[in-house]
Amino acid sequence: QKEVEQDPGPLSVPEGAIVSLNCTYSNSAFQYFMWYRQYSRKGPELLMYTYSSGNKEDGRFTAQVDKSSKYISLFIRDSQPSDSATYLCAMRSPNYGGATNKLIFGTGTLLAVQP
Amino acid sequence: ETGVTQTPRHLVMGMTNKKSLKCEQHLGHNAMYWYKQSAKKPLELMFVYSLEERVENNSVPSRFSPECPNSSHLFLHLHTLQPEDSALYLCASSQDYPSSGANVLTFGAGSRLTVL
Repeated sequence: QKEVEQDPGPLSVPEGAIVSLNCTYSNSAFQYFMWYRQYSRKGPELLMYTYSSGNKEDGRFTAQVDKSSKYISLFIRDSQPSDSATYLCAMRSPNYGGATNKLIFGTGTLLAVQP
Repeated sequence: ETGVTQTPRHLVMGMTNKKSLKCEQHLGHNAMYWYKQSAKKPLELMFVYSLEERVENNSVPSRFSPECPNSSHLFLHLHTLQPEDSALYLCASSQDYPSSGANVLTFGAGSRLTVL
C-alpha cells in the first residue's frame, strides 16, 4: 500500500464550480499536511499547509484534515481558469530525536477549469 | 534573481554523454534537494544536502552524482544515463533539515531531461 494515495485525474470542471481534491494516507504519524500547486512548465509552489487536524481557509481555498479517517481535502470555491494546474498533496511526521522526516507526496491531480 | 533558479530548462543527451544540472537559491536557506518527477508518479526524493553536507541519498544509481559547493548552489552531474532517466528534475530548498516545523520547500521550475 502506498503511503499517500491521490487520484491523478484529470478533473475537468466549469468555471465557478466548487472543486474538491483529496488524498488518503496510511501513516498515522503524519502531522503536517500541505497542498502544492504546479502550473505547466513550472515547479510546485506551496498553496496551503495545516498542522494536525482541522480546517484552514485562505481566500477561495480551504484545506481540511480528518486524521481519524486519514483523509485530507482541498476545496476551491468559485473556480477560475487560472486555477488549472496539478495539485499535489504532501505530508510528513514531526522530527523526533533528529530522525529524518521526509516529505511524502501524492501523485498529483490534474485540474482543468473550463471557461 | 529571486527564489530557486535551475539551468538548463531543457536538456537532451545521449546515453554516453556527460552533462550537469545547476541549481541556485537566493533565499538564504540551509538545505537543498534534488527530486525526480515522472508522469503519474509521486515526486521522488533523490538527495538532500544540509549545510553543504549530504544527509540523504535515496538509493540513487551512481550515474547521478550530486555536488553542493556552498549553501546556495547545487549540481547534479549526469553520466551514462538510461532512457528511463528521462524526467523533470526539480531542485528545492528549505530553511533547514530536518525540521521541527513544516519544513516548507521552495522549488525551482525544473530541468526537463530527455535521454535518447
